[in-house]
Amino acid sequence: GIQVEQSPPDLILQEGANSTLRCNFSDSVNNLQWFHQNPWGQLINLFYIPSGTKQNGRLSATTVATERYSLLYISSSQTTDSGVYFCAVYYGNNRLAFGKGNQVVVIP
Amino acid sequence: KAGVTQTPRYLIKTRGQQVTLSCSPISGHRSVSWYQQTPGQGLQFLFEYFSETQRNKGNFPGRFSGRQFSNSRSEMNVSTLELGDSALYLCASTLGDTEAFFGQGTRLTVV
Repeated sequence: GIQVEQSPPDLILQEGANSTLRCNFSDSVNNLQWFHQNPWGQLINLFYIPSGTKQNGRLSATTVATERYSLLYISSSQTTDSGVYFCAVYYGNNRLAFGKGNQVVVIP
Repeated sequence: KAGVTQTPRYLIKTRGQQVTLSCSPISGHRSVSWYQQTPGQGLQFLFEYFSETQRNKGNFPGRFSGRQFSNSRSEMNVSTLELGDSALYLCASTLGDTEAFFGQGTRLTVV
């Protein structure tokens, strides 16, 4: 099956710092999403991004489908950005393959 | 607009029992998919239903089954529970083959 790799697995940031999370995938995909998992387990949608760049406040994402990777940028990080970020790719009818996540800790 | 609703939120069951989890998708969404999240295996796809038909199934034993009703609500059932079935079960709702929205999940503990 399709492989999704996220890096780095763990990241500790000082509040106010910028960071980049990377997602590589092994095969052509129909689409890609980034999620943030809240402490209660719910996956919160950040971006639905098959290609190109999107921005939402301090977060932005870029997907280069032809090179099979996507990047999530966090600028001016805040403690509320802490948590696990997941990249998921579509490879069939509404079938998502997830990476193992990026655990981000933002310290004040 | 109401989001994806999963019930119950928490569940404790004994080995050998069976369990049924429910997922109500966003109004108008006809696709519901289920995922299992464990610390060891991460998030894994279980199955997907569209208009009451199972279109995809992940690599899980036959003890895991599901169905979808005409109102698009879906249930998944796990029979003969094992300790390893303890997990967070997440349901996603999709309007056609587009962006997925997840519910809050059901946390199942098997003792």
